[in-house]
Amino acid sequence: EPEVTQTPSHQVTQMGQEVILRCVPISNHLYFYWYRQILGQKVEFLVSFYNNEISEKSEIFDDQFSVERPDGSNFTLKIRSTKLEDSAMYFCASRGGTDHKAYEQYFGPGTRLTVT
Amino acid sequence: AQSVAQPEDQVNVAEGNPLTVKCTYSVSGNPYLFWYVQYPNRGLQFLLKYITGDNLVKGSYGFEAEFNKSQTSFHLKKPSALVSDSALYFCAVMLYTGGFKTIFGAGTRLFVKA
Repeated sequence: EPEVTQTPSHQVTQMGQEVILRCVPISNHLYFYWYRQILGQKVEFLVSFYNNEISEKSEIFDDQFSVERPDGSNFTLKIRSTKLEDSAMYFCASRGGTDHKAYEQYFGPGTRLTVT
Repeated sequence: AQSVAQPEDQVNVAEGNPLTVKCTYSVSGNPYLFWYVQYPNRGLQFLLKYITGDNLVKGSYGFEAEFNKSQTSFHLKKPSALVSDSALYFCAVMLYTGGFKTIFGAGTRLFVKA
């Protein structure tokens, strides 16, 4: 069964450094998402991406964040200057088109980001 | 403000007994409703959804949920709990606000005791 993959599984970085989190969505999916989950807390929407542009973003997704689909398969989240409070699990998700099954999001296993 | 509420942080149930995990929502328009499950150190896994049609929806692993528009609820149920159902359960609402975004509830941890 196709699955969403994410790399790395764990990233440790120093405050102020840039990090890039990578995701490979399911190949025929059209919509791509990033979420984060601070330890023990709820899953928070960051951004949705469709047709090579951001279609929706949350207030969390400020200027330090950016997303890109550079080569038609990878979907990346860049955090330009990390802060301690960016430490969280980051999940990528993808889904298909607009029929009913296509509203089901498939999540990757997550990247645990630790900012020291 | 649009929100999803899961009023119970934790639900404890004995194996073989029915279980209910509660969810209510407050959104404008007609929401698409979902339940996801998260096992330790894993991503979220889709369980079931309500888009339109029959208010009772059936999903994976014997779970079902009932959409109640008047009570704005979408409670998750299972007639007979298994120890392996122990996990973190998230209710979610998908909204279209120019683009699609999903709002998650805080999660309910389900413990099924043998």
